[in-house]
Amino acid sequence: DTAVSQTPKYLVTQMGNDKSIKCEQNLGHDTMYWYKQDSKKFLKIMFSYNNKELIINETVPNRFSPKSPDKAHLNLHINSLELGDSAVYFCASSPGTPGYEQYFGPGTRLTVT
Amino acid sequence: AQSVTQPDIHITVSEGASLELRCNYSYGATPYLFWYVQSPGQGLQLLLKYFSGDTLVQGIKGFEAEFKRSQSSFNLRKPSVHWSDAAEYFCAVGDDKIIFGKGTRLHILP
Repeated sequence: DTAVSQTPKYLVTQMGNDKSIKCEQNLGHDTMYWYKQDSKKFLKIMFSYNNKELIINETVPNRFSPKSPDKAHLNLHINSLELGDSAVYFCASSPGTPGYEQYFGPGTRLTVT
Repeated sequence: AQSVTQPDIHITVSEGASLELRCNYSYGATPYLFWYVQSPGQGLQLLLKYFSGDTLVQGIKGFEAEFKRSQSSFNLRKPSVHWSDAAEYFCAVGDDKIIFGKGTRLHILP
């Protein structure tokens, strides 16, 4: 069974569209994250949730809105997509913070044309 | 400011040779320190981590890392690399929030 899964794996869309990426973890972890990895492989945290509560919200445009319906799911909705949003988005989970290993999903490659 | 520096963007070693990947950090206190590996098209996997205790940490896949407080470094080593070690390696530091370095791409020559 996949520990952290993301759908879709690939997402190609046009500028101005709205899209969502879903993430689910079956590890029973309390904390979930969204990261953005740009074309140069630089990995930066966007959001973190602990038991459905937002605990980290980096300087991300408000076009990005995370939603955690329960502690096993953390979805990312992006409004009015821009070319600069093209990247690989990773979901991760951990038993808590600080210092715990983070388990990463396989990533969603978003291409905005 | 908190930061992580991996000075080598690419490293190439021959299969069977030893490996050292460098990582330096800037942090207010001693943070948690991690090394992750990312194979092409995949997510990151933890190799090892350090917070306290023995400064030489053993990880998976035969990797180890040494914490040197005086140098603010946490270098990753492996005595003999295998072709399957070719990947991107990320050093990371932090506590509630983890900051990742920009990665070192490891190439293995047959």
